[in-house]
Amino acid sequence: GENVEQHPSTLSVQEGDSAVIKCTYSDSASNYFPWYKQELGKRPQLIIDIRSNVGEKKDQRIAVTLNKTAKHFSLHITETQPEDSAVYFCAAIIQGAQKLVFGQGTRLTINP
Amino acid sequence: DAGVIQSPRHEVTEMGQEVTLRCKPISGHDYLFWYRQTMMRGLELLIYFNNNVPIDDSGMPEDRFSAKMPNASFSTLKIQPSEPRDSAVYFCASSYRASNGYTFGSGTRLTVV
Repeated sequence: GENVEQHPSTLSVQEGDSAVIKCTYSDSASNYFPWYKQELGKRPQLIIDIRSNVGEKKDQRIAVTLNKTAKHFSLHITETQPEDSAVYFCAAIIQGAQKLVFGQGTRLTINP
Repeated sequence: DAGVIQSPRHEVTEMGQEVTLRCKPISGHDYLFWYRQTMMRGLELLIYFNNNVPIDDSGMPEDRFSAKMPNASFSTLKIQPSEPRDSAVYFCASSYRASNGYTFGSGTRLTVV
C-alpha cells in the first residue's frame, strides 16, 4: 500500500523567511496530493492540492511542487507570517483507491 | 453549506461508560471518514464509509469501538465501555469521491477519567 513520509517534524523560521516541507510517497500510481493546515485546537483544513498531471501550483504565498520521477512533493510558504504557525500535513491517494494516506505532520513555528 | 457537523464538541465521561459521537457530513458527499488524533499517534483512520456502507474498519482499535451510518446524513461512533486511553480528539471528515480533498468537522475532544 501507499506510504507517505514527511520531513521535518518541526520547523522554526523567522518571520518573513520562507519555509519548505517535503513529503515522499511510495506508490508511483498516486495521483492526488493535498496539504492540510491545522491550527492549535482546530480542525485540519485543506490549503492547497496538486494532481499528478501538474508540476507546480501556486496560491498567493503558498505553492506546491511535485516530482513524479522522484516521488516527492513539497509545500513552499514565502514571506511567512505569525498566522502561518500551525501543523501541516501532506497526503497522497492512489487512483482508484478510496482513502488518503497522511504524513506524520510538521509543526511550523514562525518567530517574530 | 454548514460544513461537516460533529457533536458534542467536548465530552468528559467516566471509565466504563458508553460514549456516542455524532457526525453529519456535507450534503452530496459520498465518503465519510472517522479519525482519531493524539499527540503520540497523530491522525489515525478508524473507519470509512462509501454510500453509507462501511468499507474499511481495520483501524478500529478493538471491539469496544463500533460505527454506523444509517443514512447519508448521519453517522455515529460508539465506544463501549470507554477507557482512559481512548481520550483523544475524534474527527469526522467527508468528501465527494475519494480523490478529492476531505472536509473535516470541528472534532470531539473526548476525555475519559
